[in-house]
Amino acid sequence: DAGVIQSPRHEVTEMGQEVTLRCKPISGHNSLFWYRQTMMRGLELLIYFNNNVPIDDSGMPEDRFSAKMPNASFSTLKIQPSEPRDSAVYFCASTFRAGAGNTEAFFGQGTRLTVV
Amino acid sequence: DAKTTQPTSMDCAEGRAANLPCNHSTISGNEYVYWYRQIHSQGPQYIIHGLKNNETNEMASLIITEDRKSSTLILPHATLRDTAVYYCIVRVGTGRRALTFGSGTRLQVQP
Repeated sequence: DAGVIQSPRHEVTEMGQEVTLRCKPISGHNSLFWYRQTMMRGLELLIYFNNNVPIDDSGMPEDRFSAKMPNASFSTLKIQPSEPRDSAVYFCASTFRAGAGNTEAFFGQGTRLTVV
Repeated sequence: DAKTTQPTSMDCAEGRAANLPCNHSTISGNEYVYWYRQIHSQGPQYIIHGLKNNETNEMASLIITEDRKSSTLILPHATLRDTAVYYCIVRVGTGRRALTFGSGTRLQVQP
């Protein structure tokens, strides 16, 4: 398996523009997570899905952020409109969550977003 | 999930064992100890996890004290490629919440 695949790896955009980050989880995994990492705040959970359903979106900063998981093999994180303070590395992770316990989470390589 | 405390940074000589401590004095009986690391510019990587018994895999060993209030991650023969930030996370094994990362320990392996 190629692991969790994120695209693009780098994105530079102007303030006010819409940004869409993409994630393909590992095949067979049923949970997907979006994290954001900055120097100031470290790794923060934004949202996570279980069986394509959002379970906890309390980490989503504000209405400008939205995430979807239309099927088990694809998720998007959208920022509209983008602001300079959204500049960060965004990670996607997936895992298989069963009733008796959780396997480890696998992270993608991240998308480095710069909003100018 | 229980709170963890880790040193901010540590150094280790290449080839020597790296022992990374973690305090989790408020851990509950059904909470596991997980270790992840993040090498510069990469996503976090799972290392190992345990409940109360010591665990070992190809990457590391995890030693959990009998009262489970602290643990140590051991990299038996550290290499330069082990330079990374190491995160100790405590969470319920069957919990529905995601991993919560603290500040971790920045390990610098010196040649």
